[in-house]
Amino acid sequence: DTGVTQSPTHLIKTRGQQVTLRCSPISGHKSVSWYQQVLGQGPQFIFQYYEKEERGRGNFPDRFSARQFPNYSSELNVNALLLGDSALYLCASSPGQGANSGANVLTFGAGSRLTVL
Amino acid sequence: RKEVEQDPGPFNVPEGATVAFNCTYSNSASQSFFWYRQDCRKEPKLLMSVYSSGNEDGRFTAQLNRASQYISLLIRDSKLSDSATYLCVVKGPSGGSYIPTFGRGTSLIVHP
Repeated sequence: DTGVTQSPTHLIKTRGQQVTLRCSPISGHKSVSWYQQVLGQGPQFIFQYYEKEERGRGNFPDRFSARQFPNYSSELNVNALLLGDSALYLCASSPGQGANSGANVLTFGAGSRLTVL
Repeated sequence: RKEVEQDPGPFNVPEGATVAFNCTYSNSASQSFFWYRQDCRKEPKLLMSVYSSGNEDGRFTAQLNRASQYISLLIRDSKLSDSATYLCVVKGPSGGSYIPTFGRGTSLIVHP
């Protein structure tokens, strides 16, 4: 049973560049969500996708965008990188996205650690 | 007021001790509650869901108080391997979906 996989695991970019992060959910999971975690803080919600549609968006600027593909994998794109975008980007999958506790349990990937210089 | 608040700690306890963490949330419409554990430079992993009637899993007990809008985690007989950051997660309605909000985490250090 493969878990949630993310790539790349580490990357270094310079200010103004663009980055694409990738996520493959657990087989059978239809919901993927993205989080940004800076040191000393909890993960901050960025996006949620379910059945290829955006179902939720956190308080992040338009430089952040995402999409979900027919196979339920997902990409997170960040344009015009700023130093403050340096963080661990986590992807999580879940069976669904409703209120039911069982459908809500998030399983995280190991994350993509982005450093912006 | 932050949506989900936790005391960042650290809580420094000896092996065998009992330790309790609280987490308060501001959205009274919140529906789902969880505790996650995060080891240093690793991803969060589900410790336990929190149910209205309270629930126990081995040495871990979680409680939910909807009236006061807080959840708690009790760890009995602490082990060295319990050292980690414990994240409180609350899922509530937002724009037709259910969005998770994480606390900043409570750091636990268990020493010999």
